[in-house]
Amino acid sequence: EVQLVQSGTEVKKPGESLKISCKGSGYSFTNYWIGWVRQMPGKGLEWMGIIYPDDSDTRYSPSFQGQVTFSADKSISSVYLQWTSLKASDTAMYYCARHPHVGEGWFDVWGQGTLVTVSS
Amino acid sequence: QSVLTQPPSVSGAPGQRVTISCTGSRSNIGAGYDVYWYQQLPGTAPKFLIYGNDNRPSGVPDRFSASKSGTSASLAITGLQPEDEADYYCQSYDRSLTGSVFGGGTKLTVL
Repeated sequence: EVQLVQSGTEVKKPGESLKISCKGSGYSFTNYWIGWVRQMPGKGLEWMGIIYPDDSDTRYSPSFQGQVTFSADKSISSVYLQWTSLKASDTAMYYCARHPHVGEGWFDVWGQGTLVTVSS
Repeated sequence: QSVLTQPPSVSGAPGQRVTISCTGSRSNIGAGYDVYWYQQLPGTAPKFLIYGNDNRPSGVPDRFSASKSGTSASLAITGLQPEDEADYYCQSYDRSLTGSVFGGGTKLTVL
């Protein structure tokens, strides 16, 4: 079964750092891009960017460039989304999703989501 | 606001047909890029539903269909069922932003 499994719920304080993960299985992990999508409470989906696990090539949405960092470890079929200093406005559900190639394309397999809550 | 515009809500009775529109611009849908649709049931991750005219992943019923014309696209759902009650999102590629863009989402209520 093709699936993406994300790390669990996080509760953090403003200013703290965080790294969440997304692990793929059931397919050739290095042949697909992985995208990150944010969903703030009660809001819609926002594309954050994509990463190619084979060489860690990344493309960020202008809205998220400089705010987050994507990384990958292909040896364990995982990609990561990282913050160095969280803000309350980072509170959201974060999804990873499989993407066929850079540029145009769908997100056909989604992780279950990681809920990040940032509160003092 | 979102690059792709969707109505906030639509509704229909069981068995009826509803459509959800997705309006973009010449830098995304109007540039010829495909439009993809997702269904998000309450409390769950989005699910890839359909793209193009009738390209559906395995398991998606043919009650769901999609179309595109000019700078807009539509998702149609026929024979509405209570389990179709969900949020629906369109997605495309924007050549100006050089990345994917989503619509703001449409909440479908089955009356």
